[in-house]
Amino acid sequence: LAKTTQPISMDSYEGQEVNITCSHNNIATNDYITWYQQFPSQGPRFIIQGYKTKVTNEVASLFIPADRKSSTLSLPRVSLSDTAVYYCLVGALGSGNTGKLIFGQGTTLQVKP
Amino acid sequence: AAGVIQSPRHLIKEKRETATLKCYPIPRHDTVYWYQQGPGQDPQFLISFYEKMQSDKGSIPDRFSAQQFSDYHSELNMSSLELGDSALYFCASSFGGRGGFGELFFGEGSRLTVL
Repeated sequence: LAKTTQPISMDSYEGQEVNITCSHNNIATNDYITWYQQFPSQGPRFIIQGYKTKVTNEVASLFIPADRKSSTLSLPRVSLSDTAVYYCLVGALGSGNTGKLIFGQGTTLQVKP
Repeated sequence: AAGVIQSPRHLIKEKRETATLKCYPIPRHDTVYWYQQGPGQDPQFLISFYEKMQSDKGSIPDRFSAQQFSDYHSELNMSSLELGDSALYFCASSFGGRGGFGELFFGEGSRLTVL
């Protein structure tokens, strides 16, 4: 299983773009990269998933370089409600391949007014 | 849209008692994951099931057991409870047919307090 490393915490201000980078040096060929957001006392919530290059949805973008050893979650124009813990997960897609989906140490993002 | 349902939402037990947590996945989801999250900690993977069979085990104590039933709901049984078992227990479901590790949908969690 690919181990992930993220910064423990980040601070930002409302309206700024926030980029959180996750390192996953031993990512396997079949592994996808998925990011989750978690508010206190709530279950994690899926944000975005990608395999390579760039993925964008209505809430975030995910940038994955060619070597796939890292990925960057980009949150455009954050607001106070984006204050949460963000987790990067790496794992393989495959029918029945549930795997041990491990949450590493997430990044606590604090958005200030 | 239907979400993952966990019950009970809150549970208070004494040391050495037993507790059972239930998880009802999203309809058509065949994969269930259990996580334990202590105060200020990251979610710890306990166990997963795919099509009613145990798929993977994580840091689940021997005092805990779990299963997935024919209707795909899952139960986590915890015996000889210890103070350290106090935590939020999350269940997540996904559709394994899509490819196993896709989007996990998490429930609101069951908060267990052991006194």
